[in-house]
Amino acid sequence: EAGVTQSPTHLIKTRGQQATLRCSPISGHTSVYWYQQALGLGLQFLLWYDEGEERNRGNFPPRFSGRQFPNYSSELNVNALELEDSALYLCASNKPGQRRYEQYFGPGTRLTVT
Amino acid sequence: AQTVTQSQPEMSVQEAETVTLSCTYDTSENNYYLFWYKQPPSRQMILVIRQEAYKQQNATENRFSVNFQKAAKSFSLKISDSQLGDTAMYFCAFLGLQGAQKLVFGQGTRLTINP
Repeated sequence: EAGVTQSPTHLIKTRGQQATLRCSPISGHTSVYWYQQALGLGLQFLLWYDEGEERNRGNFPPRFSGRQFPNYSSELNVNALELEDSALYLCASNKPGQRRYEQYFGPGTRLTVT
Repeated sequence: AQTVTQSQPEMSVQEAETVTLSCTYDTSENNYYLFWYKQPPSRQMILVIRQEAYKQQNATENRFSVNFQKAAKSFSLKISDSQLGDTAMYFCAFLGLQGAQKLVFGQGTRLTINP
């Protein structure tokens, strides 16, 4: 079974630009979660999508947004990039059913803002 | 709001030794899940073990076991017969069943297994 995949692996942008990060969940998984892992701030919850709907968001400004497509893949968009947005962005997925509370992570996208 | 605290930023042991990583958490919820995740240098987060709060029996997965003390809000991870491949950052995480299904992570413990 293929795991969660994310693209690109690395992304370098300049301040003020927009970044788009992509995530494909494990087959059969319908929920996608985004987390930010920044130096000194640890892992923080960003967004949760389930069945195409945004279910919850963490304490991040509106310039962090995303969507989930009918095939359950997801995009995270970060507008008006700031230097402090530099971080590893992790995507996780889980499936409905008995083990729905287990989240499985992808390898992440390293975003660098210069 | 829930918080998770890992008080050991770094630990180092010799191969084949047993090591215990500490984690405490704070919550007002009664039903929740606790997890330990491993993040090796490749940065892929790997689920190591999970514990349901309503279960008194401690979870075990091969060489990995937990000591779950609900009243004390403590959730430690024991790694037996440690191997070089266990070298990684270990994160304790809490997931409450009320509202948002988000993981709340501790700050992590960097574990090094020496040959």
